[in-house]
Amino acid sequence: AQSVSQHNHHVILSEAASLELGCNYSYGGTVNLFWYVQYPGQHLQLLLKYFSGDPLVKGIKGFEAEFIKSKFSFNLRKPSVQWSDTAEYFCAVNRRQAGTALIFGKGTTLSVSS
Amino acid sequence: DTGVSQDPRHKITKRGQNVTFRCDPISEHNRLYWYRQTLGQGPEFLTYFQNEAQLEKSRLLSDRFSAERPKGSFSTLEIQRTEQGDSAMYLCASSFAGGPLSADTQYFGPGTRLTVL
Repeated sequence: AQSVSQHNHHVILSEAASLELGCNYSYGGTVNLFWYVQYPGQHLQLLLKYFSGDPLVKGIKGFEAEFIKSKFSFNLRKPSVQWSDTAEYFCAVNRRQAGTALIFGKGTTLSVSS
Repeated sequence: DTGVSQDPRHKITKRGQNVTFRCDPISEHNRLYWYRQTLGQGPEFLTYFQNEAQLEKSRLLSDRFSAERPKGSFSTLEIQRTEQGDSAMYLCASSFAGGPLSADTQYFGPGTRLTVL
């Protein structure tokens, strides 16, 4: 069965610090990969996605993620966080062929202090 | 494009009662999904529709749960004889897929928070 692991449950950073959130998935086939963000009081929003092609994908608000197939990883990065990045971040995966149900990690809460 | 909408946003019910939630997807999206999210967890897949056809159901979807999408537009999720363990946020998402094997991006609604007393 597919699963997604997010290694950090809660990350606390100061503004301007760099961010990297880990995500590993377990599935032997071809997958699509996503990062979603949930700001306080808001619904899940798509940050970025990887379907195929360049393994380094850029999303909104300066976020990027790199797909490393050999490591089954899709880590999220941002060089300099802002207070407004305080949110919960979810990594998700689904099967490339026909399968569309997203499997989510448990999420990482990011708190950025100004 | 007004996004995915869900109604109601909050529902408090007593154990044993039936509840029904509604989801209106982004217009022209042909796929619609239901997920459930509990505190400290990511969303868990329940079921999905391609147009009006329900194509996949999770083992999480017990016999007390039923979902419909009668005209391929809005969808309803009904829970019969609610239990305290049903308390959760119920999320709806929609997407457009050009074909049955096409990758799609799911856009989520605000959710319905269910509390079973």
